[in-house]
Amino acid sequence: DAKTTQPNSMESNEEEPVHLPCNHSTISGTDYIHWYRQLPSQGPEYVIHGLTSNVNNRMASLAIAEDRKSSTLILHRATLRDAAVYYCILRDITYNQGGKLIFGQGTELSVKP
Amino acid sequence: SAVISQKPSRDICQRGTSLTIQCQVDSQVTMMFWYRQQPGQSLTLIATANQGSEATYESGFVIDKFPISRPNLTFSTLTVSNMSPEDSSIYLCSVEGGFGEQYFGPGTRLTVT
Repeated sequence: DAKTTQPNSMESNEEEPVHLPCNHSTISGTDYIHWYRQLPSQGPEYVIHGLTSNVNNRMASLAIAEDRKSSTLILHRATLRDAAVYYCILRDITYNQGGKLIFGQGTELSVKP
Repeated sequence: SAVISQKPSRDICQRGTSLTIQCQVDSQVTMMFWYRQQPGQSLTLIATANQGSEATYESGFVIDKFPISRPNLTFSTLTVSNMSPEDSSIYLCSVEGGFGEQYFGPGTRLTVT
C-alpha cells in the first residue's frame, strides 16, 4: 500500500486558516488522495478527496501538487470544532485493494481560542 | 451520505467470553468494513464484508477470532470471540458511498476485564 507522511501535531488559532500537509512520494497513477478527520470520541468523518486537480467543498479545500507527491488540506477559518486528528490516505481507484482505507497516524490539530 | 448505527455503544466483558457488535446502515450498500482502534492508536482494518460472499480478513486477523456475518445489504455483525484484555478497543464499521468515500459508525467501546 502506498504510504503517506504527516506531521504528528499542529496548532492553529481560531478563525485563522490552517494548512495540513501530506507527503505521498510513492503515489501511483490510480491512487486517489482522501482526507478524513476524527473528532474526540467519534468515528472518522469524510472530509474531501481528489485525484489531480484541486478540490473544494463546504468543509475544506484540497490542494494537490502538480507531481502529486504531496497535498495540503486547507481549512479556511479554523474553529474550535475543527480540533481533531486529520488523516491523509491514498485509495486505489481500481479496487485492486478492495476499496479499503489504510489509516496512518494522522495529524492531531489543536485550535486555540 | 449514509447514516450508520452500532450496538452496543459500549460494553464491559469478562475474559473468555464473546461479544457480537451490530452495524446497521440506513441504505443498501455493497461494501462494509470493520476496523479496530486500540487506545491512543489509529484505525486498523480487520476485514471487508461484502454481501453474498465470505469476509476478507487482513493480515493478523482470523475468522475464528472475529467471525463476521453479512446477511443483507444494510446489516452486518462482528463477533469478538474468546476475549482477552488485549481486545479492549473501539470497534467501528464503515460503508462506502457513491464516490469512493467511506462513512463510519460511532463505534463500540469494548473493555475486557
